[in-house]
Amino acid sequence: AQTVTQSQPEMSVQEAETVTLSCTYDTSESNYYLFWYKQPPSRQMILVIRQEAYKQQNATENRFSVNFQKAAKSFSLKISDSQLGDTAMYFCAFMKHIPGTYKYIFGTGTRLKVLA
Amino acid sequence: SQTIHQWPATLVQPVGSPLSLECTVEGTSNPNLYWYRQAAGRGLQLLFYSVGIGQISSEVPQNLSASRPQDRQFILSSKKLLLSDSGFYLCAWREVLDVDRPYFGPGTRLTVT
Repeated sequence: AQTVTQSQPEMSVQEAETVTLSCTYDTSESNYYLFWYKQPPSRQMILVIRQEAYKQQNATENRFSVNFQKAAKSFSLKISDSQLGDTAMYFCAFMKHIPGTYKYIFGTGTRLKVLA
Repeated sequence: SQTIHQWPATLVQPVGSPLSLECTVEGTSNPNLYWYRQAAGRGLQLLFYSVGIGQISSEVPQNLSASRPQDRQFILSSKKLLLSDSGFYLCAWREVLDVDRPYFGPGTRLTVT
């Protein structure tokens, strides 16, 4: 069964510092997609970054980057120059192909608090 | 542009009462639709998904059911709510021909008392 594990339930970081959120997953597939979603207090799910497994280059979106280690099945998110607005719940997700469609498996989330 | 709506935004229901949550998508055709539940400490749990009208796949056996009576409408139901049905329910969609991420609705907060 495909699973996504986020081992850090809560983290905090000082404003302007860098923080890394961990995610590991389990799959037997060779081609898939991985995502990080942000859920601020409004609870709206916002896509932060996406990684395609066949691409060796780590994805980057402004202050957000990932460290994708396919062999280790690890997909961590690095937030640089943390801002107060980064305070949110962060979910790692794995996209699994199933006949006719895809489904998305999410981890349990990491609650990040950015401190002033 | 595409938008996704969910209602109601908040709901408080007694144990044993029925439930109906609605999700509609605008600006797209034949989307794949998903229902997720977010409970404390459990992340987002996929409940149901649908690839077309009347086609429902269940991920977790439970007290809930889903239906898709129209192309862009997805309904989550229960005949008798349990306390454990409390949570935040999210509807999501994706384009059929687009290998991309799911787009989420604003969610419904359900409290069963």
